[in-house]
Amino acid sequence: DAGVTQSPTHLIKTRGQQVTLRCSPKSGHDTVSWYQQALGQGPQFIFQYYEEEERQRGNFPDRFSGHQFPNYSSELNVNALLLGDSALYLCASRSDGSYEQYFGPGTRLTVT
Amino acid sequence: GQNIDQPTEMTATEGAIVQINCTYQTSGFNGLFWYQQHAGEAPTFLSYNVLDGLEEKGRFSSFLSRSKGYSYLLLKELQMKDSASYLCAVRLPEGLTGGGNKLTFGTGTQLKVEL
Repeated sequence: DAGVTQSPTHLIKTRGQQVTLRCSPKSGHDTVSWYQQALGQGPQFIFQYYEEEERQRGNFPDRFSGHQFPNYSSELNVNALLLGDSALYLCASRSDGSYEQYFGPGTRLTVT
Repeated sequence: GQNIDQPTEMTATEGAIVQINCTYQTSGFNGLFWYQQHAGEAPTFLSYNVLDGLEEKGRFSSFLSRSKGYSYLLLKELQMKDSASYLCAVRLPEGLTGGGNKLTFGTGTQLKVEL
């Protein structure tokens, strides 16, 4: 079992650009959540996807959007990047109805 | 808003016992998690408490008091590899399913284990 996988591992972008991050959930999991973790902070909830729909959303602007595919994998898109978007982006998956989330290794995004 | 407080840093000696406290004030409550996160890595699940009391799992134990909005993580027989950030997170009962999955995290407690 590969667990939760994310790509790419690291990414450097320029202000104003757009970025897409990818996540494959742990086998058997159907619910994917995305978190942003700034340096020295705890993860902040961005949104959660289930059955290809956004089910919950945190306090993030519309520049942050996502998608879930029929195979439960997910993408996080961020438009018009700001310097403050530099962070570790974590994907977490679980089975709907289960409480335990498994986190992926994250994508380190640097905006210059 | 949601508020979760943890000490920023703690230092302890190898072989000792350390208790990391977490207090929370949230608009709802559907369980409390503790995660361990080594630098540059993903958080890994340690424990989940939804009812009051102590949950023991090997060298790690977690306690919850819902009436006091308080939890602690107890680490025994500390090892150097326990040096990491420990994250307290509250599960909020939002969303269509009623069970919810949104976790609100504290800023984490950086634990340093010394010889």
